Amino acid sequence: QLQLQESGPGLVKPSETLSLTCSVSGGSISSRDYHWGWIRQPPGKGLEWIGSIYYSGATYYNPSLQSRGTISVDTSKNQFSLKLSSVTAADTAVYYCARADTSMVTDYWGQGTLVTVSS
Amino acid sequence: DIQMTQSPSSLSASVGDRVTITCRASQGISNYLAWFQQKPGKAPKLLIYAASSLQSGVPSKFSGSGSGTDFTLTISSLQPEDFATYYCQQYNGIPFTFGPGTKVDIK
Repeated sequence: QLQLQESGPGLVKPSETLSLTCSVSGGSISSRDYHWGWIRQPPGKGLEWIGSIYYSGATYYNPSLQSRGTISVDTSKNQFSLKLSSVTAADTAVYYCARADTSMVTDYWGQGTLVTVSS
Repeated sequence: DIQMTQSPSSLSASVGDRVTITCRASQGISNYLAWFQQKPGKAPKLLIYAASSLQSGVPSKFSGSGSGTDFTLTISSLQPEDFATYYCQQYNGIPFTFGPGTKVDIK
């Protein structure tokens, strides 16, 4: 059974970089059959797709991030990561890592981790 | 970006009711439409993909239809475990976008 688990600081200061890691178990992150990505949800609000990465290293991002986001893969650890620079209070959200198939259907989600941006 | 709208934004229903939620895309997305269920404090769960295909393990009381710009999610007989927020998502074009959600609660 595939499992995804987010980890990282729960509190980040404004203007700093948010860094999260998603550990994948029960499946290989090197598989050609899937994309790996991030989705966030501000408290009490809706869902926003952040971006995703394919095993080849190809990445896709939401333009709303204004080039602040970077997604990378560490195949040796079966993990992928999100870095979001120059954060503001508007980046406060529950961050989910997720798997999507080659049609980009998101079929597995991590449990989510709350990141608060505050000084 | 493709904008997704949902109606209603919330609804109250009774156990056993048939419930229909509508999702509309700002431009045609063929059938690249998914439906998710989210309960408080939990990650969303995939119910329907490709507008009408039932995800493995999801009860057949959930069904989806539509193509192009207009889509529906139907719950044939609402059960206590179905009270949740439902989101549609288009994956036809980047950025993939979600509808604002429809909260289904108990009447």
